[in-house]
Amino acid sequence: AQSVTQLDSQVPVFEEAPVELRCNYSSSVSVYLFWYVQYPNQGLQLLLKYLSGSTLVKGINGFEAEFNKSQTSFHLRKPSVHISDTAEYFCAVSDQKNQGGKLIFGQGTELSVKP
Amino acid sequence: NAGVTQTPKFQVLKTGQSMTLQCAQDMNHEYMSWYRQDPGMGLRLIHYSVGAGITDQGEVPNGYNVSRSTTEDFPLRLLSAAPSQTSVYFCASRKRGTYNEQFFGPGTRLTVL
Repeated sequence: AQSVTQLDSQVPVFEEAPVELRCNYSSSVSVYLFWYVQYPNQGLQLLLKYLSGSTLVKGINGFEAEFNKSQTSFHLRKPSVHISDTAEYFCAVSDQKNQGGKLIFGQGTELSVKP
Repeated sequence: NAGVTQTPKFQVLKTGQSMTLQCAQDMNHEYMSWYRQDPGMGLRLIHYSVGAGITDQGEVPNGYNVSRSTTEDFPLRLLSAAPSQTSVYFCASRKRGTYNEQFFGPGTRLTVL
């Protein structure tokens, strides 16, 4: 079974500052990793995903994440945030052998960007 | 393409009432799932389906039923609503073979009094 831990429930940051949202996972098998974003009162949108290959993954809106197998982490970063990045961010994991569409989500991190 | 649609957007029920949350997708996706979102708990999988006529339980299936008679529709039934089922419900779909990239609906906010 897999599990996902997002280490920060809330991250306040000033506009144009860098940000890192932390995600650790636990799994006994190989996994795919995802970050989703949820803007207020909306559904979830895929930001980026790691399937294989390069451990640095680039997503939409200037976000990127780095897969670290030894530390079982998949932290999300952005060098300079905007007010519009205010949202909740979810890290998720899927077993590579599981084709049933089962995603395991972390608890979420609320990113609040202040002017 | 409308993507994944959910109705209603909001619903208030009394304890013991039953209702069906509707979910439809027009992308011809084989896989569909229902999640509930509660503060501080992320999204938890309720039920999922890998194709018409095939459903299976997720992490928190108790109190919910599903069926999948067509590829497009995946309704979620609350048999006898309880206050613990107050939540935001999301339906998602994905195409088989796309490494679990799921597309989510806008959600249904359910309150059980």
